[in-house]
Amino acid sequence: QVQLQESGPGLVKPSGTLSLTCAVSGGSISSSNWWSWIRQPPGKGLEWIGEIYHSGSTNYNPSLKSRVTISVDKSKNQFSLKLSSVTAADTAVYYCASKVVISHYYYYMDVWGKGTTVTVSS
Amino acid sequence: SSELTQDPAVSVALGQTVRITCQGDSLRSYYASWYQQKPGQAPVLVIYGKNNRPSGIPDRFSGSSSGNTASLTITGAQAEDEADYYCNSRDSSGNPLFGGGTKLTVL
Repeated sequence: QVQLQESGPGLVKPSGTLSLTCAVSGGSISSSNWWSWIRQPPGKGLEWIGEIYHSGSTNYNPSLKSRVTISVDKSKNQFSLKLSSVTAADTAVYYCASKVVISHYYYYMDVWGKGTTVTVSS
Repeated sequence: SSELTQDPAVSVALGQTVRITCQGDSLRSYYASWYQQKPGQAPVLVIYGKNNRPSGIPDRFSGSSSGNTASLTITGAQAEDEADYYCNSRDSSGNPLFGGGTKLTVL
């Protein structure tokens, strides 16, 4: 069974860049899954940030697209998130998840990391 | 509309049946998936596709869909089912989209 583990700084200064990594174990990042980042501000709902395929193809939330970069490192079996120009509104628990795509009409996120809390503060 | 709308809160008496709904135009074309999130924990997939449960999810959880509404039904709700529930489908651009979440209270 695939397991995911997020890592990265828990505190980022305003206007800085948030950088997180998701390590994939128990499976290959080169599988047919897409690899996603999702966040959850304190007391609020889930927000999809973006996703990447092992080929390097990406999709991003339009509301964050100008600030987000997701990359994959197949040699380390991990993928990463960079979010630039952060503000307090980017304070959230950040989750990575694997997305299984059955067809254009049918997908689901079957495995999630435990999440990592990132606070934006000076 | 690119939104998925859920009732913010729903309650159910212990052992009774509860339906949590998710409305959105995309649900006319795309299946929803459902996630359970307990406080301080990561979301867990409970229903996907037409009505599929991952291994380990009790069979009291079921899913259905009609028109622009997807539903998660818990038949015989247990105390441990108290949690937030999120639906997920696609927006008008085909990207993943979550509903706002429903807080389920088991009385």
